Amino acid sequence: GAVVSQHPSWVICKSGTSVKIECRSLDFQATTMFWYRQFPKQSLMLMATSNEGSKATYEQGVEKDKFLINHASLTLSTLTVTSAHPEDSSFYICSAPGRRETEAFFGQGTRLTVV
Amino acid sequence: AQTVTQSQPEMSVQEAETVTLSCTYDTSESDYYLFWYKQPPSRQMILVIRQEAYKQQNATENRFSVNFQKAAKSFSLKISDSQLGDAAMYFCAHSGVRVFGTGTRLKVLA
Repeated sequence: GAVVSQHPSWVICKSGTSVKIECRSLDFQATTMFWYRQFPKQSLMLMATSNEGSKATYEQGVEKDKFLINHASLTLSTLTVTSAHPEDSSFYICSAPGRRETEAFFGQGTRLTVV
Repeated sequence: AQTVTQSQPEMSVQEAETVTLSCTYDTSESDYYLFWYKQPPSRQMILVIRQEAYKQQNATENRFSVNFQKAAKSFSLKISDSQLGDAAMYFCAHSGVRVFGTGTRLKVLA
């Protein structure tokens, strides 16, 4: 099946700094990618949908200025957590839908810890 | 609004036995897919099975099958001959994986 690579797998950053998470589709072109946040022992919550060449669509309650999403090419979407704070610590996952959204291919996830 | 409900936070099953995980959903769409995903401790999301709403026949993938009741908006997952490797969080998903249920933690007892 198709492969989505997410990097880094884990990152620790200082409060107030920014951190970028990359999501790459390795063997297919992804015009759309989804970004989720998962708290411990909870479900995946869709944060935003990135669209290649246009602005991302954010879910209600997600701060656009805090979570910057860029989808500059058909194989790369990035999530930048700006001015990170400890409450931003979480597990972030990306996915790319397949044809007609009959399936989705998930990245390995990124564990972000803000200290 | 699209919603997915999983009413069983945790389930246990004896190895080699059968277990059913429940999922109900709400949608205004007429054509859609439903998914069951498995999330092991590695946290990598793994597709277990999917069902297209237009297909009356329940999907089956080896030991995994679904009971899809469209009118009742129910989509349960049956795992037969449970194995230790089946232990994981299971999420029901809808709306092209935009909406996930709260998950069911499956424990498999040796």
